[in-house]
Amino acid sequence: KQEVTQIPAALSVPEGENLVLNCSFTDSAIYNLQWFRQDPGKGLTSLLLIQSSQREQTSGRLNASLDKSSGRSTLYIAASQPGDSATYLCAVRPSQGAQKLVFGQGTRLTINP
Amino acid sequence: NAGVTQTPKFQVLKTGQSMTLQCAQDMNHEYMSWYRQDPGMGLRLIHYSVGAGITDQGEVPNGYNVSRSTTEDFPLRLLSAAPSQTSVYFCASSPTRTSGKAQYFGPGTRLTVL
Repeated sequence: KQEVTQIPAALSVPEGENLVLNCSFTDSAIYNLQWFRQDPGKGLTSLLLIQSSQREQTSGRLNASLDKSSGRSTLYIAASQPGDSATYLCAVRPSQGAQKLVFGQGTRLTINP
Repeated sequence: NAGVTQTPKFQVLKTGQSMTLQCAQDMNHEYMSWYRQDPGMGLRLIHYSVGAGITDQGEVPNGYNVSRSTTEDFPLRLLSAAPSQTSVYFCASSPTRTSGKAQYFGPGTRLTVL
């Protein structure tokens, strides 16, 4: 059974720092991995999607990497801003025909001005 | 595009009442699904649909009913609300289940059952 873990559960850093959020999964046979952002009381916003054949994806100040063999993905945020404060979730699609995404519990990120 | 929309945003029910959570998408996506989000449990799949007229159960389907008469709409029905159904409900869609494309989520419905 695929399990997804995100450590730490919470992270607080000063504005301007570069930071890395971690996501690990137990079964390396995944189809793709998606990073989401969730603001308090809001829905999930898709940030980046990495297919199993890809090593990384970039969007603006965000870079997500995928290492299937080690069961890990990282989300790198450059030059963090207070507006980046949110909970970040990673989710794995176990196979092409999988009916659901398997979510981690999320990392709650706070950027201090 | 409005994306994925959900109504209502908030709802309070008494035990035993029934209600329907609405979900609509305007992206012509075939695949739609319902998740619930609970503290410490993460997001769990309730029901999903791979196209109009086709629905199936997820991992926590008990107490919920769905139908998909059109591509755009995928309502979730609570048949007889219980306090254990207090949760935040999210609807999601993607072009197809197997396309490998990103899933898009609605803003959620926060439900409290007293």
